[in-house]
Amino acid sequence: GQQLNQSPQSMFIQEGEDVSMNCTSSSIFNTWLWYKQDPGEGPVLLIALYKAGELTSNGRLTAQFGITRKDSFLNISASIPSDVGIYFCAGQPGTASKLTFGTGTRLQVTL
Amino acid sequence: NAGVMQNPRHLVRRRGQEARLRCSPMKGHSHVYWYRQLPEEGLKFMVYLQKENIIDESGMPKERFSAEFPKEGPSILRIQQVVRGDSAAYFCASSPGMESPLHFGNGTRLTVT
Repeated sequence: GQQLNQSPQSMFIQEGEDVSMNCTSSSIFNTWLWYKQDPGEGPVLLIALYKAGELTSNGRLTAQFGITRKDSFLNISASIPSDVGIYFCAGQPGTASKLTFGTGTRLQVTL
Repeated sequence: NAGVMQNPRHLVRRRGQEARLRCSPMKGHSHVYWYRQLPEEGLKFMVYLQKENIIDESGMPKERFSAEFPKEGPSILRIQQVVRGDSAAYFCASSPGMESPLHFGNGTRLTVT
């Protein structure tokens, strides 16, 4: 089946630093999504990408849909303590098809 | 507009009992998905339903697990004769259409003792 490799697995950064994480797939996706999950809660959608090469921002977050359709990255600028959590990428190969999730990047922000 | 509502938030069952997990999608959403998450892992797809129809159940074990999304009422994920390995967080997500992003509920944490 499809696999999504997400890296890094975890990050420890200081408040104010920028963060970059990425996701690669063994196969092509038509949609890339980035979610954040806080402890005890469900994933919350951050950014959705629908076209190869698309670059989309949501506040301090920026994500890009790779040209090859097999990768995506998420950047967080000027991190703050509330950015702490687990970030998941997810890919969808086509319409009416299930999302495949990455293994997550755990972000810790120190003051 | 309320989000995806799941209940119960926590469920404890003894081995051999049945577990029923409920999910009410967001208003106007007719597509429901169930995912399972083990500690320190990502979410794994189980089943995708539209009203009264199962569209894709390729991620759901063929035995003991079933799902439904009736014309009226919430979607139900049912696990019969639970075993300890069923302990996990079960998340429901909904969307208004096939190409729309999924919105997740806060999950039901099932513990089998």
